[in-house]
Amino acid sequence: QVQLQESGPGLVKPSETLSLTCAVSGYSISSYYWSWIRQTPGKGLEWIGNIYYSGNTNYNPSLKSRVTMSVDTSKNQVSLKLRSVTAADTAVYYCARWSISMVRGVSRHWFDPWGQGTLVTVSS
Amino acid sequence: SSELTQDPAVSVALGQTVRITCQGDSLRSYSASWYQQKSGQAPVFVIHGENNRPSGIPDRFSGSSSGNTASLTITGAQAEDEADYYCNSRDSSGNHVVFGGGTKVTVL
Repeated sequence: QVQLQESGPGLVKPSETLSLTCAVSGYSISSYYWSWIRQTPGKGLEWIGNIYYSGNTNYNPSLKSRVTMSVDTSKNQVSLKLRSVTAADTAVYYCARWSISMVRGVSRHWFDPWGQGTLVTVSS
Repeated sequence: SSELTQDPAVSVALGQTVRITCQGDSLRSYSASWYQQKSGQAPVFVIHGENNRPSGIPDRFSGSSSGNTASLTITGAQAEDEADYYCNSRDSSGNHVVFGGGTKVTVL
């Protein structure tokens, strides 16, 4: 059974860099895509980006200038860095496995499973 | 604003059927997936396409799509189905991923 566990500082100062790690167990990260998604308090879900185990990335255009994702296959984990944070980046951050398939010519994708999420607060 | 539009809230009587919709131009080309999020918990994948459910998700959950609208139907809603539901697909460029704003389902 695949399990994902996010970890990192729960408090980050404005203008600094948010750094999170997602440890994957029960499955090798050397297949599939892996994603980061966040949820601001009381709001909806926002996709941050995807990364393939090879290192290929795809980021949300609204965050692209501040985001870096990476993989460490030796540790079976995925990382997220978000630079120059502000209070607007306060959110619960989730990692998830992203699957893609083609069914009768239609592209399908889904996020499963998800980690439990980690709350990051940006405050001085 | 999201490229996928959902009604903010919907209610359903216990045992009745409720349909949750998700609208967006990209849905004409890309399939939607759906997620259930109960209060204080991480989202859980429910379904993609019509009947592609992970193990553990009851078959009272079904999906459909027509034109620019994807739908999640709960047939015979149970008290434990009360949650926020989010749709997910590609954006209009097809290059990025977007979520709908979510629909809060209340079971009466």
